[in-house]
Amino acid sequence: DTGVSQDPRHKITKRGQNVTFRCDPISEHNRLYWYRQTLGQGPEFLTYFQNEAQLEKSRLLSDRFSAERPKGSFSTLEIQRTEQGDSAMYLCASSLAMGPGTGFPGNTIYFGEGSWLTVV
Amino acid sequence: AQKITQTQPGMFVQEKEAVTLDCTYDTSDQSYGLFWYKQPSSGEMIFLIYQGSYDEQNATEGRYSLNFQKARKSANLVISASQLGDSAMYFCAMREGLNGNNRLAFGKGNQVVVIP
Repeated sequence: DTGVSQDPRHKITKRGQNVTFRCDPISEHNRLYWYRQTLGQGPEFLTYFQNEAQLEKSRLLSDRFSAERPKGSFSTLEIQRTEQGDSAMYLCASSLAMGPGTGFPGNTIYFGEGSWLTVV
Repeated sequence: AQKITQTQPGMFVQEKEAVTLDCTYDTSDQSYGLFWYKQPSSGEMIFLIYQGSYDEQNATEGRYSLNFQKARKSANLVISASQLGDSAMYFCAMREGLNGNNRLAFGKGNQVVVIP
């Protein structure tokens, strides 16, 4: 399988604990994104990387959240001191930035299967 | 302000029939891209179809086609010959700008249930 993979798929944690999710993008993709999706809603953008550089962060990404992509390949999303409001699905996605313009199919963003987080 | 609006209630569609899912969007940019994704109960967001704002032809991908009406700012998805495996949530999304803004704004989705 050469798609975006995420691990773990499901995580149940107690409030106050730290959790970390890992994402492996499609191998040739230089961009990597994190989104969060709560029940009944569409995904919401959290942050994105171009290679190893984190270029944009949403206001949704509080100080308890940190994302890294140290070698420009896989990425981790850590949530510290989890709260019940953090319960959601965390989706990773990747794309290949081929050039300007919306007519480049390579700019299509492909998602993984998501990591479900339940904070109890 | 909501950038993507999907307001249809859950839909039941007969197998082999066509279904149209509505999506309207709001942007002041001239360059943008519109996407449709399918999300089955497993959670994965599956890319279906893409339409660029400068594309003159409506996008088609197999049984999926996009009815793009730029002046009305609508990008409706048409699924022809529905199959049981089409039962899922469908999300419309938009990326604004050329290459600088990389975030996708999603609607709340349309639930589709295909019945035999």
